[in-house]
Amino acid sequence: AQSVTQPDIHITVSEGASLELRCNYSYGATPYLFWYVQSPGQGLQLLLKYFSGDTLVQGIKGFEAEFKRSQSSFNLRKPSVHWSDAAEYFCAVGATSGTYKYIFGTGTRLKVLA
Amino acid sequence: EAQVTQNPRYLITVTGKKLTVTCSQNMNHEYMSWYRQDPGLGLRQIYYSMNVEVTDKGDVPEGYKVSRKEKRNFPLILESPSPNQTSLYFCASSLRAPPALGYTFGSGTRLTVV
Repeated sequence: AQSVTQPDIHITVSEGASLELRCNYSYGATPYLFWYVQSPGQGLQLLLKYFSGDTLVQGIKGFEAEFKRSQSSFNLRKPSVHWSDAAEYFCAVGATSGTYKYIFGTGTRLKVLA
Repeated sequence: EAQVTQNPRYLITVTGKKLTVTCSQNMNHEYMSWYRQDPGLGLRQIYYSMNVEVTDKGDVPEGYKVSRKEKRNFPLILESPSPNQTSLYFCASSLRAPPALGYTFGSGTRLTVV
């Protein structure tokens, strides 16, 4: 069965600092991988996705993520965080066969210090 | 504007009083799904629909019903709500199943059952 883990519940960074949010997954093959952002009082918005090919994926709002098969990871990064990036971030894993199950991690809440 | 619309945004109800949360998308998406979001648990799938008249249970279907009579609408029905169904609910859609392209989410419905 597939699973996804976001080890960090909360992360605090200063504005302008770099950011890395961790995501680890368990799946028998290469799954579909996603990052979503949820601003307060809003629904989730898709930041980026990975299916295959180049392991470094660019998304919206200046975010990128790198797929590392050997580490079963799909970490989200941003070189310089803005105050507006304060939100909750969810990693999601989609199965590529069978029931095509799609599950979310428990989220990482990002706080940005001015 | 392409979107998923949920109503109502907020709802307070009493135990046992039947309620319906509506969901409508204007993107001609085949795949629609309902999730509930609870602190520390991330998003858990309640029901999903691959297309009109095709629905199936997700991970936490107990106490919920859905229907998909038209492609654009996917209402969530709570026949006899209980306090443990107090949660934040999201409707989401995707062009097709599996949701390899990622989801478009509604803005959420915060339900309180007293």
